[in-house]
Amino acid sequence: ELKVEQNPLFLSMQEGKNYTIYCNYSTTSDRLYWYRQDPGKSLESLFVLLSNGAVKQEGRLMASLDTKARLSTLHITAAVHDLSATYFCAGNQGGKLIFGQGTELSVKP
Amino acid sequence: GAVVSQHPSRVICKSGTSVKIECRSLDFQATTMFWYRQFPKQSLMLMATSNEGSKATYEQGVEKDKFLINHASLTLSTLTVTSAHPEDSSFYICSARDRESYEQYFGPGTRLTVT
Repeated sequence: ELKVEQNPLFLSMQEGKNYTIYCNYSTTSDRLYWYRQDPGKSLESLFVLLSNGAVKQEGRLMASLDTKARLSTLHITAAVHDLSATYFCAGNQGGKLIFGQGTELSVKP
Repeated sequence: GAVVSQHPSRVICKSGTSVKIECRSLDFQATTMFWYRQFPKQSLMLMATSNEGSKATYEQGVEKDKFLINHASLTLSTLTVTSAHPEDSSFYICSARDRESYEQYFGPGTRLTVT
């Protein structure tokens, strides 16, 4: 059974700083997803990572996947307040998405 | 493209009543839809997998007689919360899997409050 764990669960950052959110998963997942959720809203898709070594970047966010280590990372570069949200990673098990606990990110001036 | 709608977006109902939530894929066909529940400050928990033309598959611990799922067409799945109680108050999110790309797309969610 696939289990997905994120850390940290809470992250308070200063604007302009860099940080990384980690997503570990327990068994094989053929793809790894990252989502953003704003308060009271549903999920916004950020990245889908399909293969070992995959790296995708969008603005200040960069996601990577290491299937051997069963680890994905979401790196935030030069954080800005607009990035404040909860970020979820999810693995795929038989077509079902299994979510991590979420990382609540707060970017402060 | 790949838009999923949910209706209603918010609903308040009295304890003991039933409420139906619709999930529609607007511009693609979805043989499979998923229903999630999210409590405040928690992650999404999969409740059930809805397959077009067949019975839904429920996750362990989810009462199938309480959460009725119907997937009558390739673009519509419904979740009916029967005899709702305050503990059923939650954010319900559906996702639809595109039958061609196999990617899942999430609806905007339905906030259910049971008084």
